[in-house]
Formats: sequence, structure tokens, C-alpha cells
Amino acid sequence: GENVEQHPSTLSVQEGDSAVIKCTYSDSASNYFPWYKQELGKRPQLIIDIRSNVGEKKDQRIAVTLNKTAKHFSLHITETQPEDSAVYFCATTSGTYKYIFGTGTRLKVLA
Amino acid sequence: NAGVTQTPKFQVLKTGQSMTLQCAQDMNHEYMSWYRQDPGMGLRLIHYSVGAGITDQGEVPNGYNVSRSTTEDFPLRLLSAAPSQTSVYFCASSRSGEAFFGQGTRLTVV
Repeated sequence: GENVEQHPSTLSVQEGDSAVIKCTYSDSASNYFPWYKQELGKRPQLIIDIRSNVGEKKDQRIAVTLNKTAKHFSLHITETQPEDSAVYFCATTSGTYKYIFGTGTRLKVLA
Repeated sequence: NAGVTQTPKFQVLKTGQSMTLQCAQDMNHEYMSWYRQDPGMGLRLIHYSVGAGITDQGEVPNGYNVSRSTTEDFPLRLLSAAPSQTSVYFCASSRSGEAFFGQGTRLTVV
């Protein structure tokens, strides 16, 4: 069945450094790739997304890259700040309802 | 603009009890789904719906039932609660693209 692998499971970086989280998916029909941020005790919230016809997308300090041939996509956070500390989830869907999520990455930004 | 509303926020059940987690959205989204979140396992899909009257199973459907009688509501029923169902449950809705999540229900089965 569909599967999304996410690495690393935990990531610690110094404030100001960059963080990269990678996901690999199995369903060739996947065409939408969102990233969600979840703060402790809160609901997941979308931070950036990319569709299959685009290779890269940026929003200020956050970027996502997609390699459809290799079936992987990555989240890049530059100039990390303490408020970036959270759990990040990647996801894929081939429609608009059946999201398959990665297992999450706990990012700690050390001041 | 309420978005996706889940109730209750916290619940403690005894083994064997049944209950319904409520989920409602006011965005006229066609698609709704239920996930459970366990440490180290991400968000796993329990059941989903592509519209009123249509539901289907996700990755971990055993022990749960759903129905979708209206576009707005998508309740999740636990038939006979087991300790393995202790988890945080999230309801989500979407139309095309972004999924909007409810606030979550922390369920403990003792």
C-alpha cells in the first residue's frame, strides 16, 4: 500500500543554522505534497505545500523541493529560530482526501 | 469562522464502553477524515469520506465506525473501547489541497 518514510525522526540545530527534513513516498499517483507543523498540544497546521508540476517552492525562510523521478521531497528551513521548534509532518495524496502522513520529525532549535 | 470543531477535547473511558467523537466543519468541504496520533507513528488514517453518504476505511479502521449523513458532520464511534485505542484523535476536512484539522481529542481507555 501507500507509504511515506520521513527522516530524521529528531533533529537538533543551532539557532540560525538550516534544517532539512526528507520524505520518500511510494505511490506514483501522488500529486500533492504538503508539510505540516505541529506545536506541542496543538493541531497540525499547513506551512507549505507543492504540487507535482512544480519542482521547488519558497515562502520566506521555508522551501520545499520535489523530485518525482526519485519519489522524494524535502523541507528546508533557513535561519532557524526557537519558534521553529515543533514536530513536522510530510504528507502525500493522490486525491484530495486520503492523506498519507510521514511519522514526523521533532525539530529542536537550540538558542 | 469556526473551521473544524471536535468534541470532546478530553475523554476517559473504561474498557468495553462505547462513545462517539464529534466532528463538524462549516467550510462546505467534501472530504473529511479521522486520524489517530500515537508517539513515533505520525498520523494514521482511520476512516474517510468523500461526501455525504460515502465512507471508506483507512489504514487502521478496526474498532471504529463512521457515518456521513450530512456534509458538515462526520462522527467517529468507538464500539467497545480497548486500551489500545488510547490516543489523540484528529478530524480533518479538505476540498482540494490543504487539510484543516480540528483541535484534537485526547482519549484514554483504562
